[in-house]
Amino acid sequence: DTAVSQTPKYLVTQMGNDKSIKCEQNLGHDTMYWYKQDSKKFLKIMFSYNNKELIINETVPNRFSPKSPDKAHLNLHINSLELGDSAVYFCASSPLGTSGNTIYFGEGSWLTVV
Amino acid sequence: AQSVTQLDSQVPVFEEAPVELRCNYSSSVSVYLFWYVQYPNQGLQLLLKYLSGSTLVKGINGFEAEFNKSQTSFHLRKPSVHISDTAEYFCAVISRGTSYGKLTFGQGTILTVHP
Repeated sequence: DTAVSQTPKYLVTQMGNDKSIKCEQNLGHDTMYWYKQDSKKFLKIMFSYNNKELIINETVPNRFSPKSPDKAHLNLHINSLELGDSAVYFCASSPLGTSGNTIYFGEGSWLTVV
Repeated sequence: AQSVTQLDSQVPVFEEAPVELRCNYSSSVSVYLFWYVQYPNQGLQLLLKYLSGSTLVKGINGFEAEFNKSQTSFHLRKPSVHISDTAEYFCAVISRGTSYGKLTFGQGTILTVHP
């Protein structure tokens, strides 16, 4: 049973296209996140959602629009893809509460924009 | 604001040798500390975390880390590594309290274990 699952795992697309990455967690967590890992392996939070509400938006371009239909799902839609969007996108989740709670990551979605 | 510095980008080591991966952090507030491991083409898995109490924390796969507040360090150690430990290791911090998952990561250390 995969705790945090995201699809697709690999995605190659052309500049200007619109694409979505889906994420689901079966851990019963209240909080979900999107992290981006760039080509230098640097990881940074993009968004944080608590019970379907946006809590953190780390100055991400508005071409990126997360959507949370329920607290178990957090999808990421990207409009007008650019070369610089090529990265690995990780979905994650954790229980609400102390920041000492473990954050569980999905296996990542490798996005390549050509 | 917080920052995390992993002092070695790559650490090669022979199988069964000990290893230490170094991590220093800077923060104006109290933090919790984490080590995550990323195997090739996989997601991140928690190795261990320090919240409070004993400064020596033990994690999965025989890893341990020691929190040193005065040196603002959280170095990861394993007394005897295996080939299967080859992976990238990330140190991370988060502000205490409700931070809604805003981990600050280091740049990663690639551990390569040679036979």
